[in-house]
Amino acid sequence: EVQLLESGGGLVQPGGSLRLSCAASGFTFSNYVMSWVRHPPGKGLEWVSSTTNSGVSTYYADSVKGRFTISRDNSKNTLYLQMNSLRAEDTALYYCAKHKGSRPSKYYMDVWGEGTTVTVSS
Amino acid sequence: QSVLTQPPSVSGAPGQRVTISCTGSSSNIGAGCDVHWYQHLPGTAPKLLIYADNNRPSGVPDRFSGSKSGTSASLAITALQAEDEADYYCQSYDSSLSGYVFGTGTKVTVL
Repeated sequence: EVQLLESGGGLVQPGGSLRLSCAASGFTFSNYVMSWVRHPPGKGLEWVSSTTNSGVSTYYADSVKGRFTISRDNSKNTLYLQMNSLRAEDTALYYCAKHKGSRPSKYYMDVWGEGTTVTVSS
Repeated sequence: QSVLTQPPSVSGAPGQRVTISCTGSSSNIGAGCDVHWYQHLPGTAPKLLIYADNNRPSGVPDRFSGSKSGTSASLAITALQAEDEADYYCQSYDSSLSGYVFGTGTKVTVL
């Protein structure tokens, strides 16, 4: 069964750091683009960051650029999101998602995890 | 700030048909980028409903269909059922942002 399991969320003070993990199983992890998507309370889904299957190329939403870093360890079938300089507006349920498609203009997210909650508050 | 605009809410009685619009621009939908649709119950994993404009993954009922024209796309739900109550999001790629974009989201209520 194809599965994604996020972990690492929690309560952190403004300006603090947190690292999220996403353990993948049931598919060849190293073949697929992966992303982080978040859902702030009372708002809509927001794409956060993506990485190519090799991890060489990474992409970020303007709202997190320079503060968040996406990475992956294909030997461990795990995706990461290092979040620094956290702000109240980063409070959200964070999902990891597997992509499918032939190129960026066609990629869609066919498998999602259940998410991990990040709360930024003093 | 979403670059894909959806109506905040739509509603219909059981058995009726509802449609959800998704309006983009020349840098995403209008540029020929595919549109995908997700069904989301807050607190749970979003579910892929439609991919590449009008394709259904296996297991998605044919009551759900997608279409695209110009800088807009639409999701139609026919024979509305109580279990269809959820939030629905469109998603595409934006070439000027070099990233993925979601719609503002639409809450579907079954009366």
